[in-house]
Amino acid sequence: EAQVTQNPRYLITVTGKKLTVTCSQNMNHEYMSWYRQDPGLGLRQIYYSMNVEVTDKGDVPEGYKVSRKEKRNFPLILESPSPNQTSLYFCASSLKTGGYQETQYFGPGTRLLVL
Amino acid sequence: AQKVTQAQTEISVVEKEDVTLDCVYETRDTTYYLFWYKQPPSGELVFLIRRNSFDEQNEISGRYSWNFQKSTSSFNFTITASQVVDSAVYFCALSERSGGYQKVTFGTGTKLQVIP
Repeated sequence: EAQVTQNPRYLITVTGKKLTVTCSQNMNHEYMSWYRQDPGLGLRQIYYSMNVEVTDKGDVPEGYKVSRKEKRNFPLILESPSPNQTSLYFCASSLKTGGYQETQYFGPGTRLLVL
Repeated sequence: AQKVTQAQTEISVVEKEDVTLDCVYETRDTTYYLFWYKQPPSGELVFLIRRNSFDEQNEISGRYSWNFQKSTSSFNFTITASQVVDSAVYFCALSERSGGYQKVTFGTGTKLQVIP
């Protein structure tokens, strides 16, 4: 089954404790992206990756890191989480056709609470 | 810079009424893509439609229809004969090139409540 998986689905942590949210897709998609969703703000793009070893900042990259060492995986790293990073996080992937993005497939979301 | 505006924060309708969700966008690109996604109460994001900037034909899929008007930079979504299962948050999104890379911008979403 074609899908995007994220782990963990729920996470409670404390300020400053490094964490990683994993994202994996089995569709051989070139493009992957991370978003955060906050009430009243919709989805905002954190980082995206056009292909292996190619990443770039989205609209709200501060406090986050990513890496794309393999095509299928795109982990999101919070080196020192703070309470303002409490949010619902989505990973997404899509094909990249002719330089433009095809439809994005989203993971189920990771709900993060930073105390 | 690209921007997507969904001015309607919340809409309530009675079942079987028609409802239109508005989406207005800003972009400098001549080639871009527009999307609508649905987020039901369970939280997942469900793809509804993708439209490229060169295709201004309206589209109908069952009770759903989309009206794309480049002249007004709008991509509105209409649900005909709404049902309780349509209750969800709906997001409009814009994808364009930005310095050779692709960027996606979502609107803030419209929460639709369909009352039985």
